[in-house]
Amino acid sequence: NAGVTQTPKFQVLKTGQSMTLQCAQDMNHEYMSWYRQDPGMGLRLIHYSVGAGITDQGEVPNGYNVSRSTTEDFPLRLLSAAPSQTSVYFCASSHPGQGGEQYFGPGTRLTVT
Amino acid sequence: GENVEQHPSTLSVQEGDSAVIKCTYSDSASNYFPWYKQELGKGPQLIIDIRSNVGEKKDQRIAVTLNKTAKHFSLHITETQPEDSAVYFCAACDSWGKLQFGAGTQVVVTP
Repeated sequence: NAGVTQTPKFQVLKTGQSMTLQCAQDMNHEYMSWYRQDPGMGLRLIHYSVGAGITDQGEVPNGYNVSRSTTEDFPLRLLSAAPSQTSVYFCASSHPGQGGEQYFGPGTRLTVT
Repeated sequence: GENVEQHPSTLSVQEGDSAVIKCTYSDSASNYFPWYKQELGKGPQLIIDIRSNVGEKKDQRIAVTLNKTAKHFSLHITETQPEDSAVYFCAACDSWGKLQFGAGTQVVVTP
């Protein structure tokens, strides 16, 4: 199993550009989520999905869109990048409900200039 | 929603000494509490977890304790080694099944 994979590893965008961060998992997990990690703030939930076709907002959803057309993939779209979105982004997956270990991808480091 | 506070933000220990990280949570419905270790340039990785029907759990040099009445839980690392240097995150799983993370503790083990 590859686990959770993310692409790209690094990305530099100009303000106003759009892009999609890719996330895929091969563990047949129903629950997938996106976090951003900023210094001193831990991991904050952006969006999550409890299964194909179902998504919901987390703590910091503004400026991001997600979709879940398959169990395996959960892309994160930045609609119009802003410097405040400079961060490290992690995708995670798990079985749903309380008590499921979340497996994290290696992260995407995004810089918006 | 759930709110998790984690202390200290940085922790420097001598190799061989013990390290303790403490977290508090707000949602009394939370019943799953994992701890993650994050090494530089990598994603967080689960190192130990505890459920609310258990007060303590141990795995070699790592232990976690949970006090549901006081809504706090702690990570204990004994006989620390240089490879224990990393950022550690506590988390609480709220009633909706979502994880709320603490802000993290940078642990530095000095030889």
